[in-house]
Amino acid sequence: GAVVSQHPSWVICKSGTSVKIECRSLDFQATTMFWYRQFPKQSLMLMATSNEGSKATYEQGVEKDKFLINHASLTLSTLTVTSAHPEDSSFYICSARDHGGGWSPLHFGNGTRLTVT
Amino acid sequence: DAKTTQPNSMESNEEEPVHLPCNHSTISGTDYIHWYRQLPSQGPEYVIHGLTSNVNNRMASLAIAEDRKSSTLILHRATLRDAAVYYCILRGIIQGAQKLVFGQGTRLTINP
Repeated sequence: GAVVSQHPSWVICKSGTSVKIECRSLDFQATTMFWYRQFPKQSLMLMATSNEGSKATYEQGVEKDKFLINHASLTLSTLTVTSAHPEDSSFYICSARDHGGGWSPLHFGNGTRLTVT
Repeated sequence: DAKTTQPNSMESNEEEPVHLPCNHSTISGTDYIHWYRQLPSQGPEYVIHGLTSNVNNRMASLAIAEDRKSSTLILHRATLRDAAVYYCILRGIIQGAQKLVFGQGTRLTINP
């Protein structure tokens, strides 16, 4: 089945530094990927929609200059948390849908746990 | 997206059936009912979806009320590995971004 891979699975960084998270669709092409954030004991919150070859669409309240998204190919989207602060510590999850061959559910990566010290 | 309402938590015993309810009284005629689940420390995974008729797959069954204002996800024989947060989500047929918006879900605990 379709697989979405995220890297790294966890990362610890110091306050003020930037962190890049990769999301890859391993066996399908994804023109659109979605980035979510999840705080402990809470549901997933959609941050942005990543579009291959064009600018990402951010949800209301999400700072586009802080959370940089690049979707340079049909199999890779990256999320860069710039000038990270402790409040950015969270579980970041990406997802994508295989548009080839009819309907497909949304496939999720296993998430990246970011801890900012 | 139309709103769904689910119980915050449910508990069941291993090898027994589990019925997870979802209310969606404002569902529109073009909204599909999707269920995803999230195991601890993992991303969500697709479980099942339907429009009007009941649906079965290898993971679960989905029973949809005749008026479509509610649905029930049925796990026929729960195992410890079914302990997860289950999300009921409505998605329209026509959605430019095709994004999924998650509610709070139901945290299912399975007792051995």
